[in-house]
Amino acid sequence: GEDVEQSLFLSVREGDSSVINCTYTDSSSTYLYWYKQEPGAGLQLLTYIFSNMDMKQDQRLTVLLNKKDKHLSLRIADTQTGDSAIYFCAERSNTGKLIFGQGTTLQVKP
Amino acid sequence: EAQVTQNPRYLITVTGKKLTVTCSQNMNHEYMSWYRQDPGLGLRQIYYSMNVEVTDKGDVPEGYKVSRKEKRNFPLILESPSPNQTSLYFCASSSLAATYEQYFGPGTRLTVT
Repeated sequence: GEDVEQSLFLSVREGDSSVINCTYTDSSSTYLYWYKQEPGAGLQLLTYIFSNMDMKQDQRLTVLLNKKDKHLSLRIADTQTGDSAIYFCAERSNTGKLIFGQGTTLQVKP
Repeated sequence: EAQVTQNPRYLITVTGKKLTVTCSQNMNHEYMSWYRQDPGLGLRQIYYSMNVEVTDKGDVPEGYKVSRKEKRNFPLILESPSPNQTSLYFCASSSLAATYEQYFGPGTRLTVT
């Protein structure tokens, strides 16, 4: 079946790197996503990666995809207090539906 | 500005009182969908629509209805709301040619007492 799993909580110090991990089950997924949700706000698409890529970098964000292990990670370099939010991993099914993980709450301590 | 709008943003209602949450997009997107977000469960799809007059169930459709009479609008209808439908609801849209890029509305926080 379709399932996406994430750890629920991550705490880092300001200036450190954060790595948020995700595993998924549907090997036919063509796109995988990271969304950010700040408190009381909607969903912001951070980045996405096509399944034929291993890595994508966008400024402070690096996405790594290991298709063999069905593992996706998001690395945030030089984490700032403004990065505190819930981060959702998602995969896209063939109907266009996004299958979301439970969300990882990132806490950045000054 | 390209956007997905939802109304209302916040709603408190009582069990059994019919309500509609509206969703509208200005990007001429064919694909629209509704999700609900619950703590510890992430977002789950309720219904989706590939185009006008074409709708289909997502993972958690029970207790909800939708309609797609116009391309830009995709209202979510709760005929008889119950407390277990208290949740945060998101509407999303995308082009069928590019469903990899979905745009989300700001969310509607619904409380059913």
